[in-house]
Amino acid sequence: DTAVSQTPKYLVTQMGNDKSIKCEQNLGHDTMYWYKQDSKKFLKIMFSYNNKELIINETVPNRFSPKSPDKAHLNLHINSLELGDSAVYFCASSPYTGGFPDTQYFGPGTRLTVL
Amino acid sequence: AQKITQTQPGMFVQEKEAVTLDCTYDTSDPSYGLFWYKQPSSGEMIFLIYQGSYDQQNATEGRYSLNFQKARKSANLVISASQLGDSAMYFCAMREGQKGAQKLVFGQGTRLTINP
Repeated sequence: DTAVSQTPKYLVTQMGNDKSIKCEQNLGHDTMYWYKQDSKKFLKIMFSYNNKELIINETVPNRFSPKSPDKAHLNLHINSLELGDSAVYFCASSPYTGGFPDTQYFGPGTRLTVL
Repeated sequence: AQKITQTQPGMFVQEKEAVTLDCTYDTSDPSYGLFWYKQPSSGEMIFLIYQGSYDQQNATEGRYSLNFQKARKSANLVISASQLGDSAMYFCAMREGQKGAQKLVFGQGTRLTINP
């Protein structure tokens, strides 16, 4: 009965490779997000989607491309990985009520290590 | 400018004592929300408690309560009767942005260690 799930949990790859992280939520939420947590534990939003539509793109490099095939899924594809992309990536979702997204529930995170 | 400030990088508390984690925020928006999340060493982000800017009463959830002082722009988390399992990073966050395009802005976090 996992609410927000992400795969894989760990991802170790070489510089220059392309990789994807998948996220699924079974909460029936309309809005989904990607956050990045750096080595100092600082969390920052990257993207948000509402019902498959991109809402927020927080000046993330073009190498990062989110895709939402339906409102329960939000995947993150990263091209040409760089050392600085090493971080923990969190997916989150929230209901959308009266125009205001509500409490965000996070997935377990994906720890990406670029060598 | 930092919108969410957590001034305590680390705190050490004796088990069963109460602990207050500080959070101050900066916004000119009359409508906003404040959240606290817990991140244990296993890494997941766990939602603890929410306070809306128009809520008249301080939020409470079990052993967690939020000391909301709007005029001072502070939203401190109070954990009563601390337990060893409360050892974790704690993040304060504020919901900001225009209607329909909102996001959470996080503070730097406070690492809480509960000593037996």
